This record gives sequence, structure tokens and C-alpha cells, in this order.
Amino acid sequence: AQSVTQLDSHVSVSEGTPVLLRCNYSSSYSPSLFWYVQHPNKGLQLLLKYTSAATLVKGINGFEAEFKKSETSFHLTKPSAHMSDAAEYFCVITKGGSNYKLTFGKGTLLTVNP
Amino acid sequence: DADVTQTPRNRITKTGKRIMLECSQTKGHDRMYWYRQDPGLGLQLIYYSFDVKDINKGEISDGYSVSRQAQAKFSLSLESAIPNQTALYFCATSDFRAGGSGELFFGEGSRLTVL
Repeated sequence: AQSVTQLDSHVSVSEGTPVLLRCNYSSSYSPSLFWYVQHPNKGLQLLLKYTSAATLVKGINGFEAEFKKSETSFHLTKPSAHMSDAAEYFCVITKGGSNYKLTFGKGTLLTVNP
Repeated sequence: DADVTQTPRNRITKTGKRIMLECSQTKGHDRMYWYRQDPGLGLQLIYYSFDVKDINKGEISDGYSVSRQAQAKFSLSLESAIPNQTALYFCATSDFRAGGSGELFFGEGSRLTVL
């Protein structure tokens, strides 16, 4: 069975400093991996996705993630945090080609301090 | 207007009452989903539908039922609500024609409280 583990339930950074949100995955198949963001009182929005093309994936709002098969990781990064980045972030895995069987991580709450 | 609209956005009800949450979409997508979000647990799939005649149970379907009235409408019902169904519920859509990319488009959620 496929699964994702978000290693931190809460990450706190200062504005202007780098962001690192960690996600490890487990899958018997070639996975597709995603990061979604949820701002307060909003639905989830896709940040970026990996679907077996380039291992370094760029998303919206300056975020990027690198698929590392040897480390079974898909960590989300951003060079410089903005106050507007404060939100909850979800790492998501799906079996390749089966986009209805998504498995969500438990989420990482990102706090950005002024 | 939002592409995926959920009603109601907030609802407080009592144990044993029947509740319906409604979802409509203007994206023209064939696939629709209902998820439940609990703090610290991520999202769990309740039901999903590939088209009007194709409805499938997800991970946590017990105590829930759904109806796909049209391609654009997908309703979730709690026949007899209980307190542990207190949660935030999300409707989502996806487009099969996107080739299985996995991108879901979410509504803004329906917060249900069962007393």
C-alpha cells in the first residue's frame, strides 16, 4: 500500500528565511506525488506535482520540491518565506495513473513570524 | 463565482438528525469526491464518483451515503448524524481527460457540528 509521512506537524520560520517541509513516501508502484496548500477557511489548492518527469518540480508562489527515489522523499522548499505562506500543507501520493486513489499526509502547519 | 460550490458552509445539528451536504461544480469535470478532514488526520475519502452511474465507496463510507444527481451535482447525506461525524467536509472534482494527473479542485468546505 502507498503512504506518505509528513515528518513535522508544525514548522515555524521567520519572514525572509528558508522553508523546508518534509515528506517521505512509501509505494510499491511508480508514484505520483503532490503538495497541496490550505489557507485558513479555504479549500485545498495544488502547489505542485511530480508525475515521473523532471525530479525537481517548480510550483506556484516560489515553492519547489525534489523527488528523491533513493531517499523516498519529496520535500517542499522555498528560499524565502512570506507572511502569506502561513497555511497548512499536505503531501499527497497516488498510484501512477490512478488519480482517484489519493492518500493524504496528516499535514504540516507552517507559521511565519514577522 | 467559485468553480466548486458547497452548501451549507456551516451547519449545527443534533444527534439522530438527517443532514445533506450539497456540491455543485461548473468545471465540467466528470469525477467528483467527498472528503472528510479532522484536525491532525489529513483528509479521508468518503465516496467518489466517476460519472452519474458510477459511485464508489472510499476509506470511511460507513454512516454516509451519496447521490450523483447530474454530472455537476454530488450530494453527501448523513442519515442519522452522530457526534463523531463532526468534521470539515470537502467536495472535490477532477478531470479524467487530464490523463490521470491527480489534480483535485476543492470547494471551500462545509463545517458540520453534531451535538
